[in-house]
Amino acid sequence: GNSVTQMEGPVTLSEEAFLTINCTYTATGYPSLFWYVQYPGEGLQLLLKATKADDKGSNKGFEATYRKETTSFHLEKGSVQVSDSAVYFCALTYNQAGTALIFGKGTTLSVSS
Amino acid sequence: NAGVMQNPRHLVRRRGQEARLRCSPMKGHSHVYWYRQLPEEGLKFMVYLQKENIIDESGMPKERFSAEFPKEGPSILRIQQVVRGDSAAYFCASSRGTGKVNTEAFFGQGTRLTVV
Repeated sequence: GNSVTQMEGPVTLSEEAFLTINCTYTATGYPSLFWYVQYPGEGLQLLLKATKADDKGSNKGFEATYRKETTSFHLEKGSVQVSDSAVYFCALTYNQAGTALIFGKGTTLSVSS
Repeated sequence: NAGVMQNPRHLVRRRGQEARLRCSPMKGHSHVYWYRQLPEEGLKFMVYLQKENIIDESGMPKERFSAEFPKEGPSILRIQQVVRGDSAAYFCASSRGTGKVNTEAFFGQGTRLTVV
């Protein structure tokens, strides 16, 4: 079946450190891949997405590249800020109207000043 | 353009009571999804609805849970005879769902259900 696996958290970093959160997926065909962010007490917000192999999604300094050969979509940021502290979810879905998202378990990021 | 609106934000129910969670999708969105987030877990898909139709309920527990999205008004997720294990955050998402790409799903802030 389709699934998403994320690195276990929590991830604790100092401000301006480099961030990588690993995400790998198992899927048939060619899904679209997403990173969502959930700030404390809030719902999920789409952070970035990629819809085909080798696409790079980017937003707010975060980047992730759709790697079909390694079935990965790792999230990176060159210099994290305290305000980036949140839970990050990797997800996939298929390019078909109405298809639900399949989420990883989430990775908690805590950034200290 | 208001986002996805869920209410209540917090709901406390005693065991055996009914919980009713509401979700108003974004304007122009006709597809609604419900997800459940258990403590320390990711979001699990429950049900996908369009107006007056349940399209996919493969993630819904077989008993006590039901969902609807009437022609007028919000989508409702109903949990009858709640038990402590139903305590979770319930998120609603909506999308346009047109075209061949599952366009971006926008999430509400969730309803946090606590069963005491």
